[in-house]
Amino acid sequence: NAGVTQTPKFQVLKTGQSMTLQCAQDMNHEYMSWYRQDPGMGLRLIHYSVGAGITDQGEVPNGYNVSRSTTEDFPLRLLSAAPSQTSVYFCASSYVGAQFEQFFGPGTRLTVL
Amino acid sequence: RKEVEQDPGPFNVPEGATVAFNCTYSNSASQSFFWYRQDCRKEPKLLMSVYSSGNEDGRFTAQLNRASQYISLLIRDSKLSDSATYLCVVNIGGNKLVFGAGTILRVKS
Repeated sequence: NAGVTQTPKFQVLKTGQSMTLQCAQDMNHEYMSWYRQDPGMGLRLIHYSVGAGITDQGEVPNGYNVSRSTTEDFPLRLLSAAPSQTSVYFCASSYVGAQFEQFFGPGTRLTVL
Repeated sequence: RKEVEQDPGPFNVPEGATVAFNCTYSNSASQSFFWYRQDCRKEPKLLMSVYSSGNEDGRFTAQLNRASQYISLLIRDSKLSDSATYLCVVNIGGNKLVFGAGTILRVKS
């Protein structure tokens, strides 16, 4: 099993550009989520999904969109990148009811100039 | 006030030392508690759950004090490989985990 995979590993954008961060898992987990991690702050939940076709907002959803058309994939879209979105983004998955054990992908390091 | 607060450290300790980290949380309705470990430039991974009665996993002991709303992690006989950032995590219900900013541990020979 590959676990949780994320692409790309690194990305540099200019202000105003849009892009999609990809996330896939092969563990048949119902629950998937996106976090961002900034220095001096804990991981903050952006959006999450409890199954295909169901998404909900987390703590910091502004500027981001998600969709969940399959169990395996949970892409994160940045609509119009801003320097404040410079961060490390982690995708995670788990079984519903066992969200305490999140399996994280390796992360995407995003810089917005 | 942050929902989950940790001393950022770093804690610099020699091999073989015992070190303890504390974490406080603000939501008294929090349901469950965990410690995650994050190596430098890697993803977080679950280290252990924290039970009201306390629990031990080898050299690691986790304790919960609901009355004072804090969680602790004790590491005995520290190894070089224990060097990492330790994240305190609180389940506040509704499918949501709140992560602390982490405590950095550096174990030196």
